[in-house]
Amino acid sequence: EAGVVQSPRYKIIEKKQPVAFWCNPISGHNTLYWYLQNLGQGPELLIRYENEEAVDDSQLPKDRFSAERLKGVDSTLKIQPAELGDSAVYLCASSSTGRTEAFFGQGTRLTVV
Amino acid sequence: AQSVTQPDIHITVSEGASLELRCNYSYGATPYLFWYVQSPGQGLQLLLKYFSGDTLVQGIKGFEAEFKRSQSSFNLRKPSVHWSDAAEYFCAVGPSTSGGSYIPTFGRGTSLIVHP
Repeated sequence: EAGVVQSPRYKIIEKKQPVAFWCNPISGHNTLYWYLQNLGQGPELLIRYENEEAVDDSQLPKDRFSAERLKGVDSTLKIQPAELGDSAVYLCASSSTGRTEAFFGQGTRLTVV
Repeated sequence: AQSVTQPDIHITVSEGASLELRCNYSYGATPYLFWYVQSPGQGLQLLLKYFSGDTLVQGIKGFEAEFKRSQSSFNLRKPSVHWSDAAEYFCAVGPSTSGGSYIPTFGRGTSLIVHP
């Protein structure tokens, strides 16, 4: 079974530029999460999808962050414009109804310079 | 709201020694509890989980954890640490939702350093 796939693994951009991250969850998993992990910290939930619907996005900074999950499969997370403080690891995870553990991708490490 | 406290930022042990990583949680009902491990540059891998039943749960890589409701704790243990266990360890608590999934809330992590 293929795991959660994220791309790119690393991204370096200048501040004020846009950036997008892509996530392909495990096949059949209807729940998809985006987490933010700052250096030396635990992951913090940004947004959770149940199929195509964003059911928990209270922690997503909507002035610059956006996310979508078309057709309830792949998802993209976008930042526009990026700020220096956005430098972090962005983790995607997925889980299926009836199984409560989440499976994580390897993450995208963003560096804003 | 639920929360997790991992009081130790760093733990250093010698290879072959026993290990215990502490985790305390705050949650109003019976929690779902998890331990994840993260190696450098990698995502999180689930070590073990507790939902109900036996309070001592076994996981992968020789890890176990014990749920103690009276102490609101879910400490991770391993009888003999290997050098490859050096990593970041995260405790998480997560309630279920009406949709059947859950929302894990993570502690800040404990960095395990293993000396030869």
